[in-house]
Amino acid sequence: DQQVKQNSPSLSVQEGRISILNCDYTNSMFDYFLWYKKYPAEGPTFLISISSIKDKNEDGRFTVFLNKSAKHLSLHIVPSQPGDSAVYFCAASSTGNQFYFGTGTSLTVIP
Amino acid sequence: EAQVTQNPRYLITVTGKKLTVTCSQNMNHEYMSWYRQDPGLGLRQIYYSMNVEVTDKGDVPEGYKVSRKEKRNFPLILESPSPNQTSLYFCASRELTGKTQYFGPGTRLTVL
Repeated sequence: DQQVKQNSPSLSVQEGRISILNCDYTNSMFDYFLWYKKYPAEGPTFLISISSIKDKNEDGRFTVFLNKSAKHLSLHIVPSQPGDSAVYFCAASSTGNQFYFGTGTSLTVIP
Repeated sequence: EAQVTQNPRYLITVTGKKLTVTCSQNMNHEYMSWYRQDPGLGLRQIYYSMNVEVTDKGDVPEGYKVSRKEKRNFPLILESPSPNQTSLYFCASRELTGKTQYFGPGTRLTVL
């Protein structure tokens, strides 16, 4: 059973607007969450992470929000740029050794 | 340049013919891991290794073997590949105390 879920397979956003990508998890033992970005024919690259002791982490245009009670995290990209068009995966871990990934959301930023 | 390399990048084989996908990293990372990516299932962890001679099963280890004889290399072995192992495979590495994994470019495997 999928422990990390990304229910939106795709998302389209106008350049300059906010992109919001969502991720839900079922395992309450997860204590570290990451977002990866993937371009075609390349491996995923790390984007931003958050520990369960925080509810927000910001890095430039990227902000991750964690709602532990709802077992939900989201990635906000503001402002969105055409180069942000990629597949975004969220991932979670409790041990730091085993990682569980979502199914990915394909973001298209329209110029 | 710090990187994780995988070989081959593309492979078409037949059922039952043993194959090895190599993974090498030049960052002196203790931790290495293998994932497979399938449509609708995301990335699923196959095996991971926390150091030389230390390996552990991930979420989907059936049908795969790994070995970690050297710190930089972590080959994935399919002793008797089957069509359900057709997938995109990624190797990753990180420092043992870190959480951020660095991924290789992927190996697309087709088993006929």
